[in-house]
Amino acid sequence: KAGVTQTPRYLIKTRGQQVTLSCSPISGHRSVSWYQQTPGQGLQFLFEYFSETQRNKGNFPGRFSGRQFSNSRSEMNVSTLELGDSALYLCASTIGLGLRGEQFFGPGTRLTVL
Amino acid sequence: QKEVEQNSGPLSVPEGAIASLNCTYSDRGSQSFFWYRQYSGKSPELIMSIYSNGDKEDGRFTAQLNKASQYVSLLIRDSQPSDSATYLCAVKEDSNYQLIWGAGTKLIIKP
Repeated sequence: KAGVTQTPRYLIKTRGQQVTLSCSPISGHRSVSWYQQTPGQGLQFLFEYFSETQRNKGNFPGRFSGRQFSNSRSEMNVSTLELGDSALYLCASTIGLGLRGEQFFGPGTRLTVL
Repeated sequence: QKEVEQNSGPLSVPEGAIASLNCTYSDRGSQSFFWYRQYSGKSPELIMSIYSNGDKEDGRFTAQLNKASQYVSLLIRDSQPSDSATYLCAVKEDSNYQLIWGAGTKLIIKP
């Protein structure tokens, strides 16, 4: 079974630009979560989508948005990029429901903002 | 604010010894706990999940959960240099099933 895939793997943008990242979950997984990881802040939760609906949202500004399609693929968008947005963006899909659901991560997209 | 605490390390352990990683959490009602391993520059990978008090073993890994004391630990037996990584503890919130993450413990296995 293929794992979680994320595209692109690496991205370089300049301040003020916008970026869209894509995530395809493991087949059959309907929940997709997004995280930002930086050396200083660790794993920070962005949002979670389930059946095309945002179920949870972290404490990030409105410049960060996401969506999920009917095939469970998800995208996240960051508008008006800032230097501090440079990070590894991770997508995870969840198997199982509720308390026993387990998250599996994709390889991540490394975003550099210049 | 629900929190998950881990010693950032680095924790240095000789090859062949037992590595012991600890994690404490603030929400007494938490019921689901997960350990992930993350190599430098890579994404986290799930090692084990544990839901009941006591020990759960999987190969060289043993997760231990003590809900009364609000801690969960991961033991790695016969540590190998390939076990050198950052280990992340995650606790799932009962209300919305969101994972709360610790900052991770960096483990170094010395040959």
